[in-house]
Amino acid sequence: QVQLVQSGAEVKKPGASVKVSCKASGNTFTNYYVHWVRQAPGQGLEWMGIINPSGDSTSYRHTFQGRLTLTRDTSTSTVYMDLSSLKSEDTAVYYCAGGAAGSTGSGSYTAFDIWGQGTMVTVSS
Amino acid sequence: DIVLTQSPGTLSLSPGERATLSCRASQSVSSTFLAWYQQKPGQAPRLLIYGASSRATGVPDRFSGGGSGPDFTLTISRLEPEDVAVYYCQQYGYSPRTFGQGTKVEIK
Repeated sequence: QVQLVQSGAEVKKPGASVKVSCKASGNTFTNYYVHWVRQAPGQGLEWMGIINPSGDSTSYRHTFQGRLTLTRDTSTSTVYMDLSSLKSEDTAVYYCAGGAAGSTGSGSYTAFDIWGQGTMVTVSS
Repeated sequence: DIVLTQSPGTLSLSPGERATLSCRASQSVSSTFLAWYQQKPGQAPRLLIYGASSRATGVPDRFSGGGSGPDFTLTISRLEPEDVAVYYCQQYGYSPRTFGQGTKVEIK
């Protein structure tokens, strides 16, 4: 069973960047698409973007275009989320979540059957 | 973007009662790409149902999903105290993937 472990909480100033890691255990992770989802305090879930199993293809929600970069190091089974030009509205818990290719849908269109524990990012001056 | 509207916002029931949660999509969503998640306070979401009606591994059989586009339902046949949580529907057939705003289930 694949498990995802995320890096620790971050506090950043407006305008700065943050990089959150998501490390997987389990050899079947090579088949997983990884998504990032965030949740502002007391709010719902917002999908941010996706990276494919080999790390050479990404897709981002249009509202994050130009600020969000997802990368993947297949040698260490780690995915990174880099969000730049931070604003106070980016204060949220950030989750990585994964779905095995084709397991609960088709290709990259799969449900999120594994989740990291979440990383709190606070943006404050 | 596909908007998912969940109702009711909050559901307050006694243990053993049946809970029915609804999710309506703003445009056609195939049942193949509709999921339900449970999120308990302070925890990450957990996949309950995928493909509108298939239970994920380890999910108790008191949870069931149904419906077809645009209307879907999650039913908890006999509410247990540990089912207190916020439940989200999600469509994952189109990008961006989108979630409903959530239904909070409380115990009376």
